[in-house]
Amino acid sequence: TQLLEQSPQFLSIQEGENLTVYCNSSSVFSSLQWYRQEPGEGPVLLVTVVTGGEVKKLKRLTFQFGDARKDSSLHITAAQPGDTGLYLCAGASWNNNAGNMLTFGGGTRLMVKP
Amino acid sequence: DTAVSQTPKYLVTQMGNDKSIKCEQNLGHDTMYWYKQDSKKFLKIMFSYNNKELIINETVPNRFSPKSPDKAHLNLHINSLELGDSAVYFCASSQGGSSPLHFGNGTRLTVT
Repeated sequence: TQLLEQSPQFLSIQEGENLTVYCNSSSVFSSLQWYRQEPGEGPVLLVTVVTGGEVKKLKRLTFQFGDARKDSSLHITAAQPGDTGLYLCAGASWNNNAGNMLTFGGGTRLMVKP
Repeated sequence: DTAVSQTPKYLVTQMGNDKSIKCEQNLGHDTMYWYKQDSKKFLKIMFSYNNKELIINETVPNRFSPKSPDKAHLNLHINSLELGDSAVYFCASSQGGSSPLHFGNGTRLTVT
């Protein structure tokens, strides 16, 4: 079973601060996706990273895929209250029974206080 | 237009009852899924359907049965509900494989 560990599990910061969320595994993934989930809603895709070492930017969010494709990070610059939510990483891998499949990490709950 | 819609939003029922959750997607995707999110927000896949064929069934009790009348719908039927079934259930769709998932807004099931 592929396991993805996210850290920290909870993060409460003040508006304007920077933060980094980590997603780690001992397994190699063909790609990795980051989602954000707000209360009462389903997760929404933020980005997909595919190549080892890849860096993608989405406004104040910077996503990086580890060189070995086992880990990823999400860095938020100058966090805003609108960034509050549950951040989930999901790794894509091959399963003999199911083919390509996604495995989700446990999530990081971020709260940004005004 | 809502891409993935599921009903009901909230479902409160007693132990032992049978209930269904409906899901529809208008994205033309080939694969649909059911995920369970527990109180700790951990998302675990329950089923996926591709062209009406079950692909994944991850140690889910056989009280849970997915039913797909067509490619755009994947309903979840639960028999003999138990307290531990209380969770938020999400329907999702994708082009299949490792393609990104489009989630519905979830159904909060509470079993009393």
